[in-house]
Amino acid sequence: DIVMTQSPLNLPVTPGEPASLSCRSSQSLLHNNGFHYLDWYVQRPGQSPQIVIYLGSLRASGAPDRISGSGSGTDFTLKISRVEAEDVGIYYCMQALQTPITFGPGTKVVVK
Amino acid sequence: QVHLIQSGAEVRKPGASVRVSCKVSDYPLSELSMHWVRQTPGKGLEWVGGFALQGGGPEYAQEFQGRVTFTADTSTDTAYMDLSSLRSEDTAVYYCVTLRQQQMIDFWGQGTLVTVSS
Repeated sequence: DIVMTQSPLNLPVTPGEPASLSCRSSQSLLHNNGFHYLDWYVQRPGQSPQIVIYLGSLRASGAPDRISGSGSGTDFTLKISRVEAEDVGIYYCMQALQTPITFGPGTKVVVK
Repeated sequence: QVHLIQSGAEVRKPGASVRVSCKVSDYPLSELSMHWVRQTPGKGLEWVGGFALQGGGPEYAQEFQGRVTFTADTSTDTAYMDLSSLRSEDTAVYYCVTLRQQQMIDFWGQGTLVTVSS
């Protein structure tokens, strides 16, 4: 199974400041179609998770353009250029390259 | 936009079975790949398994093989997950989700809390 790790597990942020979240996989997530099968989801308090970034760097419909994804191989990053109050939640990375689909433990973003 | 509405919370005793339903709206279930993910405080998000209604067999996480069954009724656009031989560790919120092109989960249900307790 591909093991997903995330850091940090807790991230206090100041509104208006940038934030950077890291995700690592135990194997490369590069598919033979050239895309990395790595997604990011945010779970806001009391809600189901929702997609924000897919295939490593593609922003999902409805995701704000202050959020971006990057990375390759086994190392990926989600960046929020200027944190807003609505960005509070737990961010999970997930690999869909092979089954079983696996998730990271999540990074909890809280506003200072 | 696909809407997924799940059945309500369930309480079961160890060894029992549970069925969770997921009603699909605004898109034909027959064109979707329906999967299930569960969430616990201890283990976080775990993929249970699922299948594409257009073809291909079901896939399961190893720990659920032999205990979980996925079915679908395309006449009512409702998907089902049956989990048997329940144990306390199966206490979780279960989500039905749609997996797009095996690449991403694009829609989630609201979740169903299943509590296993004697």
